[in-house]
Amino acid sequence: SQQGEEDPQALSIQEGENATMNCSYKTSINNLQWYRQNSGRGLVHLILIRSNEREKHSGRLRVTLDTSKKSSSLLITASRAADTASYFCATGNSGGSNYKLTFGKGTLLTVNP
Amino acid sequence: DSGVTQTPKHLITATGQRVTLRCSPRSGDLSVYWYQQSLDQGLQFLIHYYNGEERAKGNILERFSAQQFPDLHSELNLSSLELGDSALYFCASSVAPLGGTEAFFGQGTRLTVV
Repeated sequence: SQQGEEDPQALSIQEGENATMNCSYKTSINNLQWYRQNSGRGLVHLILIRSNEREKHSGRLRVTLDTSKKSSSLLITASRAADTASYFCATGNSGGSNYKLTFGKGTLLTVNP
Repeated sequence: DSGVTQTPKHLITATGQRVTLRCSPRSGDLSVYWYQQSLDQGLQFLIHYYNGEERAKGNILERFSAQQFPDLHSELNLSSLELGDSALYFCASSVAPLGGTEAFFGQGTRLTVV
């Protein structure tokens, strides 16, 4: 079953605009990660935020985490056509010695030149 | 290049057959994860191995099995294949299973069952 749910499912913006994607999840987590996937290719890790962190930056990426609302957001500033891809949030859960990384269904971002 | 190698890249086989997908993790990574990605189901977690031991199971069918060998490479065996098993199968590796670290993904094996 999916742990994270991204919103919106699809987003189309113009180059230079900011893109915001949201992720909601259901159970407690150790961390939340965002990944990017270009069509049919492997996923690439973008950023990891731990459950005791509220905000993290990496280049043009900004991630927030609100554990009370069980939600996270990914902001891509000054978007470029090359940012066109699917973006997934993934939640890391550790139940005892078992560790899962569970992905949502993703947001398809299209950045128009 | 993530450092994770998956073979083969493409596989076409008939229903009822058995196939083996192979994954070599990044050097030094002890954890290997297998995922199935299809249009309707999204990215489904199948199974996680750490240093040769199974650590977590997801939505893995009984017809599917996996193992991680002493050299840390992993194989995913899919048997009695059905049309619905057609999907992209990804392997990912990470340094450690607990606490959470980033996972590095291979380029996937595209399985087509005809």
